[in-house]
Amino acid sequence: GEDVEQSLFLSVREGDSSVINCTYTDSSSTYLYWYKQEPGAGLQLLTYIFSNMDMKQDQRLTVLLNKKDKHLSLRIADTQTGDSAIYFCTYGGGATNKLIFGTGTLLAVQP
Amino acid sequence: NAGVTQTPKFQVLKTGQSMTLQCAQDMNHEYMSWYRQDPGMGLRLIHYSVGAGITDQGEVPNGYNVSRSTTEDFPLRLLSAAPSQTSVYFCATKRGSPGTLNTGELFFGEGSRLTVL
Repeated sequence: GEDVEQSLFLSVREGDSSVINCTYTDSSSTYLYWYKQEPGAGLQLLTYIFSNMDMKQDQRLTVLLNKKDKHLSLRIADTQTGDSAIYFCTYGGGATNKLIFGTGTLLAVQP
Repeated sequence: NAGVTQTPKFQVLKTGQSMTLQCAQDMNHEYMSWYRQDPGMGLRLIHYSVGAGITDQGEVPNGYNVSRSTTEDFPLRLLSAAPSQTSVYFCATKRGSPGTLNTGELFFGEGSRLTVL
């Protein structure tokens, strides 16, 4: 079935780069997404990548997509304490139009 | 410009009680959905709707009912609450299927924290 896997926790020092990884099972989605959830809040779209792209850069964010290995990654350059949050990888699950979420990765940024 | 509004934000129930979590959106989105978020489990889809009068089950539908009589509202009903339903519930909407002019972005409410004793 449809599934998304992420590591649960990542700790980095302020100013370092963060890389959050995700693997998924279904390859039929048009877009793949990264959502950010700050404490006590709902999720907000952080960035996305079209499925026919390999890379997308958006200021400090770089998204890499390896369709062969069904692997998506999010790199945050010059990580700040304000980047501390849970990051969810997700994609649209096939013909049903549902979005399938991973467990989320808690990013902790140490000053 | 409210977006997605969930009520109540917090609720405590006793086992066996019933209640309804409300979700309202003012973006004229066709698609509405309910997720629950539990530690270590991520977000799991409960029910979703692709338009008024149409609902379908997600990954974890047992113990929950939904209806979609209008485009704006998508209430989630717990008929007989159980401690296993203690969770944070999120309503999320989107315009429709992703395509050239639509990324399929989900818009989330702020969540409803439910505790069942």
